[in-house]
Amino acid sequence: GDSVTQMEGPVTLSEEAFLTINCTYTATGYPSLFWYVQYPGEGLQLLLKATKADDKGSNKGFEATYRKETTSFHLEKGSVQVSDSAVYFCALRGQGGSEKLVFGKGTKLTVNP
Amino acid sequence: GAVVSQHPSWVICKSGTSVKIECRSLDFQATTMFWYRQFPKQSLMLMATSNEGSKATYEQGVEKDKFLINHASLTLSTLTVTSAHPEDSSFYICSAAVSTGMKLFFGSGTQLSVL
Repeated sequence: GDSVTQMEGPVTLSEEAFLTINCTYTATGYPSLFWYVQYPGEGLQLLLKATKADDKGSNKGFEATYRKETTSFHLEKGSVQVSDSAVYFCALRGQGGSEKLVFGKGTKLTVNP
Repeated sequence: GAVVSQHPSWVICKSGTSVKIECRSLDFQATTMFWYRQFPKQSLMLMATSNEGSKATYEQGVEKDKFLINHASLTLSTLTVTSAHPEDSSFYICSAAVSTGMKLFFGSGTQLSVL
């Protein structure tokens, strides 16, 4: 079945450092890919998404490119801030329009001043 | 944006008791709600999908008689863990789908600890 493998955390960075959180997936066809973020005490929020190969999702300085050839959707940000401290989840939705999401384990990011 | 309220945020209960978790969509109508569970260092796993006014659809391996889901209105779904045991200790999260499109909104989760 479909699955998502996400970089193990926790990840600790200093402010303004470069961030990469790796995410690879296994799925048939062409799934849609997502990154969700969960700030402390809040629900998961959609951070960005990509629905087809080579699409780049971006939001709040974060980017991720849908790479079909490597089945990856790595999350990057050039300069992190303390306010980016959160748990990040990579997820996919299988081809066919189902609302069912398959999640990775989540990666906790802590950014220190 | 749309808000999903989930309560309680955490609960500790004795083995054998039942626990109810509520999930409310505060400013929109949710025809479909989803319940997820996350064990430590594991992925969020979909437990069941509930549509307003009909029986929930459970994922393989999830006991429907143990995890009772009620979705009686377009703004409220409840998950009741019946006769909870320590192995049910987990983080439970609900999400709601807006009736148009498939955008999902998530609750903040409930940490259940069964002693």
